[in-house]
Amino acid sequence: AQSVTQLDSHVSVSEGTPVLLRCNYSSSYSPSLFWYVQHPNKGLQLLLKYTSAATLVKGINGFEAEFKKSETSFHLTKPSAHMSDAAEYFCVVSPYDAGNMLTFGGGTRLMVKP
Amino acid sequence: ETGVTQSPTHLIKTRGQQVTLRCSSQSGHNTVSWYQQALGQGPQFIFQYYREEENGRGNFPPRFSGLQFPNYSSELNVNALELDDSALYLCASSLEGEGDEQFFGPGTRLTVL
Repeated sequence: AQSVTQLDSHVSVSEGTPVLLRCNYSSSYSPSLFWYVQHPNKGLQLLLKYTSAATLVKGINGFEAEFKKSETSFHLTKPSAHMSDAAEYFCVVSPYDAGNMLTFGGGTRLMVKP
Repeated sequence: ETGVTQSPTHLIKTRGQQVTLRCSSQSGHNTVSWYQQALGQGPQFIFQYYREEENGRGNFPPRFSGLQFPNYSSELNVNALELDDSALYLCASSLEGEGDEQFFGPGTRLTVL
């Protein structure tokens, strides 16, 4: 069985300040982990994925995430928030290396203040 | 844009009715997955089809069923609609049966009255 817990339902930052979205996972298998972003009225977009290659994963739009097995965490970070980053973010786990049958966390709404 | 399209965009039905949602996969993708996203929650996996056969199912009752066609378009059918079926329904296409990056469509918003 697998599950994902996103520790914050809402995060608010000022433009230009760092972003930290927290995610803890539970998986019986060696997991693949993902972060997806969902903008209003748009489809989910893959930000980045971890598939046991490097523990620090770089994604699109300046986002990155670090896989920490000992802490079962996969937190998403960005050094400097932009107004366009305001959206819903989902941490996702899958038991297969290639991202089959995804299990989503509850989501974190990121708000960026000018 | 991912190349995955869904129709209709919005739909209103009455409890007890049946509904069919449609998805057109990205060109060349042979796997389609369907997810239900209730308001304020993350998407939940309904089922997946690979080469026209169901390839896995989440915790959804049999009144949720699907079809995948040779041209890799697909349908999600829901019978005996309940109020709790109101949600955004997302389809996602990918290339291989074991999965690859899943490309999501914009979703169909279903409201059950």
